[in-house]
Amino acid sequence: GGIITQTPKFLIGQEGQKLTLKCQQNFNHDTMYWYRQDSGKGLRLIYYSITENDLQKGDLSEGYDASREKKSSFSLTVTSAQKNEMAVFLCASSIAGQNYAEQFFGPGTRLTVL
Amino acid sequence: GDSVTQTEGQVALSEEDFLTIHCNYSASGYPTLFWYVQYPGEGPQLLFRASRDKEKGSSRGFEATYDKGTTSFHLRKASVQESDSAVYYCALEDYNQGKLIFGQGTKLSIKP
Repeated sequence: GGIITQTPKFLIGQEGQKLTLKCQQNFNHDTMYWYRQDSGKGLRLIYYSITENDLQKGDLSEGYDASREKKSSFSLTVTSAQKNEMAVFLCASSIAGQNYAEQFFGPGTRLTVL
Repeated sequence: GDSVTQTEGQVALSEEDFLTIHCNYSASGYPTLFWYVQYPGEGPQLLFRASRDKEKGSSRGFEATYDKGTTSFHLRKASVQESDSAVYYCALEDYNQGKLIFGQGTKLSIKP
């Protein structure tokens, strides 16, 4: 088995601040994902990475940057936090190039912007 | 583009009630369909999947049948328990782009 670790668990920021969320996985999976979860809107894909140093934009990439420093880690940066923003950011990983591949999720980082 | 629609945003039931959560999809071909469940404070986890017309997926008493004709993959359980309280997501696989497309999620609350 494996595990996905997300840090921090809770993140409080100020309007306009640049904020970084981190994700680590020990599944040895090739592909990693960042999702934003808002109540009533499901999971929306922000960025994903098929392999180390690869980046692919999802449906919600505006306002975010991402970095795949190595196979096991994937970071997400909120470039300018929006006032009153509240959301949960979920990291996930899966085996690349395999049909029906299951995605494994971390517990999430809960963001609050004051 | 491909999409997934879950009709119910919230469902409130009593223990031993029958559950149906509706999921309809729009995509070409035969995408793999998934149900994920998310318990409070945790990330989503795979419940089960199906990839062929008429294939039934099942786990923990939940089941859904892939129906190409009605483009549906409705989640059902005959008798829900309080421990089933969670958010349920229907999803389909966009294999060409290596990603999942999720529905809006359905929050299930079970009264003891």
